[in-house]
Amino acid sequence: DAGVIQSPRHEVTEMGQEVTLRCKPISGHNSLFWYRQTMMRGLELLIYFNNNVPIDDSGMPEDRFSAKMPNASFSTLKIQPSEPRDSAVYFCASGLYQGTSVFEQYFGPGTRLTVT
Amino acid sequence: AQKITQTQPGMFVQEKEAVTLDCTYDTSDPSYGLFWYKQPSSGEMIFLIYQGSYDQQNATEGRYSLNFQKARKSANLVISASQLGDSAMYFCAMREGNQGGKLIFGQGTELSVKP
Repeated sequence: DAGVIQSPRHEVTEMGQEVTLRCKPISGHNSLFWYRQTMMRGLELLIYFNNNVPIDDSGMPEDRFSAKMPNASFSTLKIQPSEPRDSAVYFCASGLYQGTSVFEQYFGPGTRLTVT
Repeated sequence: AQKITQTQPGMFVQEKEAVTLDCTYDTSDPSYGLFWYKQPSSGEMIFLIYQGSYDQQNATEGRYSLNFQKARKSANLVISASQLGDSAMYFCAMREGNQGGKLIFGQGTELSVKP
């Protein structure tokens, strides 16, 4: 099993530029999660999808952030325009939604974003 | 109010000894799940163990066990026979009721294992 795949692993960009982070979940998983990790705020959920449908996007900081899941094997998180305060590690995780909940969530390696 | 509290920012343990990492939680939902993740210096998040609120027995996974005390709302992680490779950040997380997969994380505990 390849695990959750994220790309790029590192991204350095200038303020104002568009940034797109990509995620391929584990095959067979039907839930996908985007998290952000910073020293100040710790790990926080941005958005999650069940069966490709966004369920909870209350953690998305503002309109500059958007996420899509066009199919079961791919998701993107876009920041436009990017700002220095967006610098963080962005994790994608996937899990199997059964009944009413997901149990284990398996995380990707993360994308370390630096906005200068 | 904090939903997940990890009161130990840092912990030290001697190799081969056992260590307990504390986690308390706050929820009014009778159905919830508790998780522990390990984050080594390389940055990845590794799932360790899960405990459901209705589980009768404490969860165990190899050297990891979860000391679940429901009345006290605590879910401490016990690592037996510590190894140098256990040095990492450890995060406790909770999923409430029918929240799908939404996890709320604590601030983490940094564990250092001494040789």
